[in-house]
Amino acid sequence: AQSVTQPDIHITVSEGASLELRCNYSYGATPYLFWYVQSPGQGLQLLLKYFSGDTLVQGIKGFEAEFKRSQSSFNLRKPSVHWSDAAEYFCAQLTGGGNKLTFGTGTQLKVEL
Amino acid sequence: EAGVVQSPRYKIIEKKQPVAFWCNPISGHNTLYWYRQNLGQGPELLIRYENEEAVDDSQLPKDRFSAERLKGVDSTLKIQPAELGDSAVYLCASSALAGVGEQYFGPGTRLTVT
Repeated sequence: AQSVTQPDIHITVSEGASLELRCNYSYGATPYLFWYVQSPGQGLQLLLKYFSGDTLVQGIKGFEAEFKRSQSSFNLRKPSVHWSDAAEYFCAQLTGGGNKLTFGTGTQLKVEL
Repeated sequence: EAGVVQSPRYKIIEKKQPVAFWCNPISGHNTLYWYRQNLGQGPELLIRYENEEAVDDSQLPKDRFSAERLKGVDSTLKIQPAELGDSAVYLCASSALAGVGEQYFGPGTRLTVT
């Protein structure tokens, strides 16, 4: 079955520290991959996406993600976390012939001041 | 430009009661999605519309769920009758293009069935 795995349910980092959120996908030779952020009571906001080309993708709010085909991974990174980054982060992949987003279970990020 | 609008934001009902959620997508977006997000999970697609046509409703529990998108603009998702297990956040999203087009999400409707 097509699936997206986010191994870490919760992550806590100190403000100013670096961040890496893990994501593994299981479908497709040419995956279309996304990272979304969801703040409490808010809808999901797209941080970045990967379709092809450069495997290091830059997104909004200082986030980046690296696509590694050999590891079936698309990990999200940020060099220095701000308290406002506390939220839930979802990795997603286009499946179903390119018409359906399949989401991971999410990683809840807590930022300690 | 206004984003995806959903109402109500919160709804509490007793089991076996009907409930309806409304979504108004971003102007000009032909593709509309309804997702359900259970607590601690990622969103799962219920139904996708291209204009007024439901092109993927394979994950919609058709015995109690129904949806419509008259005139290809706003949409309504209905549950009748609601069950305890329907408690979740119901998200609406829209995109200008199907497939690789970016999906823009509304804030969702949090449903609690007691």
